[in-house]
This record gives sequence, structure tokens and C-alpha cells, in this order.
Amino acid sequence: AQSVAQPEDQVNVAEGNPLTVKCTYSVSGNPYLFWYVQYPNRGLQFLLKYITGDNLVKGSYGFEAEFNKSQTSFHLKKPSALVSDSALYFCAVRDISNAGNMLTFGGGTRLMVKP
Amino acid sequence: NAGVTQTPKFQVLKTGQSMTLQCAQDMNHEYMSWYRQDPGMGLRLIHYSVGAGITDQGEVPNGYNVSRSTTEDFPLRLLSAAPSQTSVYFCASRLKKHLAGELTDTQYFGPGTRLTVL
Repeated sequence: AQSVAQPEDQVNVAEGNPLTVKCTYSVSGNPYLFWYVQYPNRGLQFLLKYITGDNLVKGSYGFEAEFNKSQTSFHLKKPSALVSDSALYFCAVRDISNAGNMLTFGGGTRLMVKP
Repeated sequence: NAGVTQTPKFQVLKTGQSMTLQCAQDMNHEYMSWYRQDPGMGLRLIHYSVGAGITDQGEVPNGYNVSRSTTEDFPLRLLSAAPSQTSVYFCASRLKKHLAGELTDTQYFGPGTRLTVL
């Protein structure tokens, strides 16, 4: 079984400050890890993914995430937050040992960036 | 490419009514899936398909049926709607292929259908 935990329902940060949105995962095999963002009344947009290679993954809109196998984490980061980054962020995992398996999502973290 | 399209965008049903949520993709992806989004619970997988003619249950399949007669279409049927099925439903298609020795595995989501069951 695979699972994802996003321990924070909401993260508040001031514009210009660095932000981190936390994600930990559990899979039986090796993980594919994803971050998606959802703006109000919109669908989910892909931000970035980790499949193999460098542990630090860069994605859209200046976001990046670091894969840490020992801590089973995939935290989303951005060096300088913008008000327009305010949205709902979802971490997701897929166990690559199961080819037909779909994504399992975390509960979501609402990011609020204040001017 | 239109990507992943869903209809309708909004729907209100009475308890016991049936309806079909439509999903189509024009990217020739083999994998398609349906999720429901509820506050604080993220997205939960309802059903999925790994190709035309093949479907399987996800995490919360009860009360829903799917079929995959073509690669493009993956409709979700509510057989007898219940208030517990009030949710936002997302359809997704998945691209998984090796290109020049590199694996691409990305899921694309439709805009969602907001369903209310009274």
C-alpha cells in the first residue's frame, strides 16, 4: 500500500520570504513523487516530479522539491514567495513496482502568501 | 490538443437519480482515472483504466461504474446518487513512455465536475 502525508493544513508566509510545504510518503518499492497546485475553482496543475536522478527537482513557477529517501520526504520549496502562489498544494506518490497503479494524494496544504 | 475535457462542469441531482460524468482526452494516453476531491481528504481514486476494455477499482469505487470502450473516453456513472457523493470529480489521463532513454510519467487532470446531491 502507498500513502502520503501532508502534516500542515495551512502554511502562512510573507511575500518575499522562503516557503516550505511538507510531504512524507510511504511505499513498498521505489517512489515516483509529484507536486500539483490547485488554484480556486480550477483543476490540478502539474508542478514537478521526481522519478530518478538528482534529488533536487526544479519545476514550474520557481518551485523546487528535494527527495530525501532516508526521511521518506519530498518537501516543496521556493526561495521567495509571491502573493500569486497562494493556492492549494497536493503531494502525490506512485509505487513504480506497480505499473498500473495510480497516484495516491495527500490531503492538501493551503498556502497563504500575504503582502 | 484539447487535453482532458470533462462535462458537465456543474450538476445538481436528487437522491436516487442516476447520471454519467463524461471524460475525454485527445492525447492517446492509455491510462485514465477518476478521482473525487473532498475537503481535507485530498483526491481519492474511484476507478481507473490501463487501456481500452480494461478497468479496475480504486480506493472508493462503491456507487460508481466505469467503462472504457475507446482510448479517448472514460465515463463515470452514478447508479443511484446519494448525498455522500456530493464532491468535485476529476478525470485524469496519464502519459507513460520511454523517450530517448528517459521515462516520462505524468498525469494530466481535467477541470473538474462539481456535483451536489440533495
